[in-house]
Amino acid sequence: NAGVTQTPKFQVLKTGQSMTLQCAQDMNHEYMSWYRQDPGMGLRLIHYSVGAGITDQGEVPNGYNVSRSTTEDFPLRLLSAAPSQTSVYFCASRPHLNTGELFFGEGSRLTVL
Amino acid sequence: EDKVVQSPLSLVVHEGDTVTLNCSYEVTNFRSLLWYKQEKKAPTFLFMLTSSGIEKKSGRLSSILDKKELSSILNITATQTGDSAIYLCAVVLYNTDKLIFGTGTRLQVFP
Repeated sequence: NAGVTQTPKFQVLKTGQSMTLQCAQDMNHEYMSWYRQDPGMGLRLIHYSVGAGITDQGEVPNGYNVSRSTTEDFPLRLLSAAPSQTSVYFCASRPHLNTGELFFGEGSRLTVL
Repeated sequence: EDKVVQSPLSLVVHEGDTVTLNCSYEVTNFRSLLWYKQEKKAPTFLFMLTSSGIEKKSGRLSSILDKKELSSILNITATQTGDSAIYLCAVVLYNTDKLIFGTGTRLQVFP
C-alpha cells in the first residue's frame, strides 16, 4: 500500500539552485496539494490541484511552480531556491469534494544555504 | 482573508489530566472542520466535523463543532504520554475546496 510517496526525503541546496520535489499517489485521488511547515506557522498551503490539468495557488505560492499532467503526479518546482524556502514540505491528497481526510506523504526536509 | 486560529499554542500536563484544545475560524464558505495529530512525521487524521453540536468520539478523544461560535474543541481525557504531539485543526472551504490549517497546539504529557 504505497499511498502518497514523496521524494527526496532530504535535500540541501545552494541559493539560486533549482530542484523538483516529486509526489505520487496511487489512490486515484483527484485532489492533491503541497504544504510547507515551519516552526510556529503550522501547515501553509502552497499550491493545490482538483484534477489533472487544473492547479491553483494557495497561501504562499511565490517561488514555487506546479503542474498536474496526470492524476497520479503533482511535482513541486523551486525555480531559484532562497534560504526562506528552508522548510519541511508535505504533499497530501484526498478524494475530491465532501471528503475530509487528507493522506500525507512522509515529508521532505529542504535546506537552502 | 481566511484564517484558522488555535489555542493554546502549547500545553504541558501530567498523565491522567484532561485537556481541551480550541480552534476558531474566520473563513468564507465553510464546508467542514478537521482535526489531525502530528507526532514525528506526517499528520494523521482524527475527526471530520460538518454539523454543529454533534460530538465525534474515538476512545479518549472527542470533538464538537459550534457553527454559531465559529469554533471547535478537541477534548482528551485521561491523557497518556503517547498523546504528546502537535494537534492541528483545518477548515475545508466550499468552491475552492482548499484546506486551511491553524498553527497547531503542541501538547506535552509527562508521567
